[in-house]
Amino acid sequence: DIQMTQSPSSLSASVGDRVAITCRASQGIGNSLAWYQQIPGKVPKLLIHSASTLQSGVPSRFSGSASGTEFTLTINSLQPEDVATYYCQKYNSVPWTFGQGTKVDIK
Amino acid sequence: EAQLVESGGGLLQPGRSLRLSCIASGFTFGDYAMSWVRQAPGMGLEWITFITSRAYGGTTEYAASVKGRFTISRDDSKSFAYLQMNSLKTDDTAVYYCTRIAVGGNAFDIWGQGTMVTVSS
Repeated sequence: DIQMTQSPSSLSASVGDRVAITCRASQGIGNSLAWYQQIPGKVPKLLIHSASTLQSGVPSRFSGSASGTEFTLTINSLQPEDVATYYCQKYNSVPWTFGQGTKVDIK
Repeated sequence: EAQLVESGGGLLQPGRSLRLSCIASGFTFGDYAMSWVRQAPGMGLEWITFITSRAYGGTTEYAASVKGRFTISRDDSKSFAYLQMNSLKTDDTAVYYCTRIAVGGNAFDIWGQGTMVTVSS
């Protein structure tokens, strides 16, 4: 099975900072990667699919990029409402594995 | 507005069975593949199963952790997805989310609010 390694496991940043979360696949998955946001106590929400396509209604400060088997979620200008755990998920083939999650909070 | 609502969770002993239901509204249910994702308390997300739309044969796939014990099904006439869970283990304790799989891709674009399943003796 393809493994998804997400890093860091947690980070703390100031409001307005640029934040980057990385997800690395153990094998090639093309662009079959999604990012989700789970605010504490809430249901996960799709942010980005196909590695870099912003889901409708998601603020433009969120962006995704890919380079080979490494995928990055970037939050430009971190806002208080972005405090959440972020997960990557690959879906090129089963099993559709999630990363371990990155907890983001405000410094 | 597209919406999913799960039901059927509860507290039960190891080895027992349970069926979760998910009713969809606000979209043409039969056009979409559906999936179940679970989250154990304080843990991350785990995909467990999906079922394709009828147009794609209603094909099912399962994670190794549930294969042979869980069965996903759908009733397009009623806009329901189901998860039959047999031989439950304490490790199956989790919030179970019903999710819609986006057309043209396999990301989960709509999530239900989740239903809690607790397996304990």
